Amino acid sequence: GEDVEQSLFLSVREGDSSVINCTYTDSSSTYLYWYKQEPGAGLQLLTYIFSNMDMKQDQRLTVLLNKKDKHLSLRIADTQTGDSAIYFCAALSSNTGKLIFGQGTTLQVKP
Amino acid sequence: DGGITQSPKYLFRKEGQNVTLSCEQNLNHDAMYWYRQDPGQGLRLIYYSQIVNDFQKGDIAEGYSVSREKKESFPLTVTSAQKNPTAFYLCASSRGTSGSTSTDTQYFGPGTRLTVL
Repeated sequence: GEDVEQSLFLSVREGDSSVINCTYTDSSSTYLYWYKQEPGAGLQLLTYIFSNMDMKQDQRLTVLLNKKDKHLSLRIADTQTGDSAIYFCAALSSNTGKLIFGQGTTLQVKP
Repeated sequence: DGGITQSPKYLFRKEGQNVTLSCEQNLNHDAMYWYRQDPGQGLRLIYYSQIVNDFQKGDIAEGYSVSREKKESFPLTVTSAQKNPTAFYLCASSRGTSGSTSTDTQYFGPGTRLTVL
């Protein structure tokens, strides 16, 4: 079945770059998303990439997609304490129209 | 100010009671969704609706019910049949549901935390 996997935890120092990785299984995935969730809040859409793109940059965020390996990454440059949150990767299936979520990566930013 | 609102933010329920969670959007989106989030897990789809007066079961629909009488509103009822209802519930909406365009991008509300006493 469709599955999305992420590592559960990442800790970085303020000012460093953070890289959060994600793998997915559904080769029919058309769009891949990154959402951010702060404690007690809903999911905030950060960015997304279409499956025929390799890279997308948006200010401090860079998304890299390796479609052959079904691997997605989110790089946050100059990580700040305000970036501390849970980051969810999600893949949109063209077969079902459903969004499949990973279990989330908790990013801890140390001052 | 467009967006998705959910109420209440916190909800407490006694065992055996039904409770209804509200979700409203003013984005003019056709599709709406309900997800359940448990600690350390991703989101699981409960129900979704692609158009008014129509809805489909998601992956974990047992013990839940929904209605879609208006485009803006998609309330979720957690029934007494739901064995483990304590969770964080998230509502989302999107313009489309084709599975192949950016109009399928889902936007989320702030969530409702339900606790069974």
